[in-house]
Amino acid sequence: DVKVTQSSRYLVKRTGEKVFLECVQDMDHENMFWYRQDPGLGLRLIYFSYDVKMKEKGDIPEGYSVSREKKERFSLILESASTNQTSMYLCASSFLPWGANTEAFFGQGTRLTVV
Amino acid sequence: QKEVEQNSGPLSVPEGAIASLNCTYSDRGSQSFFWYRQYSGKSPELIMFIYSNGDKEDGRFTAQLNKASQYVSLLIRDSQPSDSATYLCAVREYGNKLVFGAGTILRVKS
Repeated sequence: DVKVTQSSRYLVKRTGEKVFLECVQDMDHENMFWYRQDPGLGLRLIYFSYDVKMKEKGDIPEGYSVSREKKERFSLILESASTNQTSMYLCASSFLPWGANTEAFFGQGTRLTVV
Repeated sequence: QKEVEQNSGPLSVPEGAIASLNCTYSDRGSQSFFWYRQYSGKSPELIMFIYSNGDKEDGRFTAQLNKASQYVSLLIRDSQPSDSATYLCAVREYGNKLVFGAGTILRVKS
């Protein structure tokens, strides 16, 4: 079974803190994604990466950065957490699209609350 | 205009009926199209993918794709209460970006 594991299920941080969300996949996937999910807004893409040290901005990258030093690990960093970053964060991974089926597998999610 | 649009619902259907979920997308270079189901408090899980025009059937589920109209749909036959969930349409755009719609809430009433 494909496993995408996020480091924390629930996290509470204070405004201004630097926050690290970690994601690890065990399927040798090239692609990794970070989304946030808010009621009524669905999944919004923050950043994605198709290779080690490569990153691409998604639709809402402001206030976030990412790191991919190893193929299996993709980290999301909130440089200075703010209350409007309170959300559910979902990590996903998939193979590169050299085939038609590039199913993305999701982690269990991290519910982050910034107080 | 959002890249992937879905009606938020809720869509309510009686048990045993056909549920029809729709999705439109804006990027004409999009390559593959996915339907995910998400139960409350859980992560999305893939139901179907489609990349060629026409229909694709898998059990009670049928995905339909019309690239000229930039339209994807999901039909659920013989709907069951266990199908009640949020259904997310996702599109793999040119350049490897995977974009989701906001999701449609489906409620199947017994």
